[in-house]
Amino acid sequence: GAGVSQSPSNKVTEKGKDVELRCDPISGHTALYWYRQSLGQGLEFLIYFQGNSAPDKSGLPSDRFSAERTGGSVSTLTIQRTQQEDSAVYLCASSLARGEQFFGPGTRLTVL
Amino acid sequence: AQSVTQPDIHITVSEGASLELRCNYSYGATPYLFWYVQSPGQGLQLLLKYFSGDTLGQGIKGFEAEFKRSQSSFNLRKPSVHWSDAAEYFCAVGAGNTPLVFGKGTRLSVIA
Repeated sequence: GAGVSQSPSNKVTEKGKDVELRCDPISGHTALYWYRQSLGQGLEFLIYFQGNSAPDKSGLPSDRFSAERTGGSVSTLTIQRTQQEDSAVYLCASSLARGEQFFGPGTRLTVL
Repeated sequence: AQSVTQPDIHITVSEGASLELRCNYSYGATPYLFWYVQSPGQGLQLLLKYFSGDTLGQGIKGFEAEFKRSQSSFNLRKPSVHWSDAAEYFCAVGAGNTPLVFGKGTRLSVIA
């Protein structure tokens, strides 16, 4: 079946603009995760959705970052007033309860 | 605090030689352990997972990993490396259905 998909694959934006990154998880997966991969920082957890529970936002680096998951499926990560330090690859993953996480190909964000 | 250490940033091995990538973790509960592989420009692919029981985890592409509780280690091994194994390898730890904590990664180069 289809894996995790993310769009766009690449996004170039100007400092101060807002961006939206989309994640389509594997159908039926109850958990959805966002991570950020940047040089020198490795892979960092951002936010986690599990079913209908309130999301775990403990990894969000600032209040400019937010995410939502509609209908328990598609998720959108929004970054407001982008800064150059937001440049990174944003990875989405999904899993069944207590299962391994399957990752999408990522969105490479470049803030000029 | 939960953490994963991959002490080797970059390793170069000859094709056909054996491989061991080191991973040490710090985790409060019984961990779920994973190795992921990332080729350039690609997302993360699960190489193998270890939940509990046996000390050896078997993965895809001929990889295996040995869990040593006393040393808090989960080293990845392969008896004979192929040129196509050149990639970045990440060790990760979690609690089953929680965000993963990743190591910084080890880049593997394979020479003829």
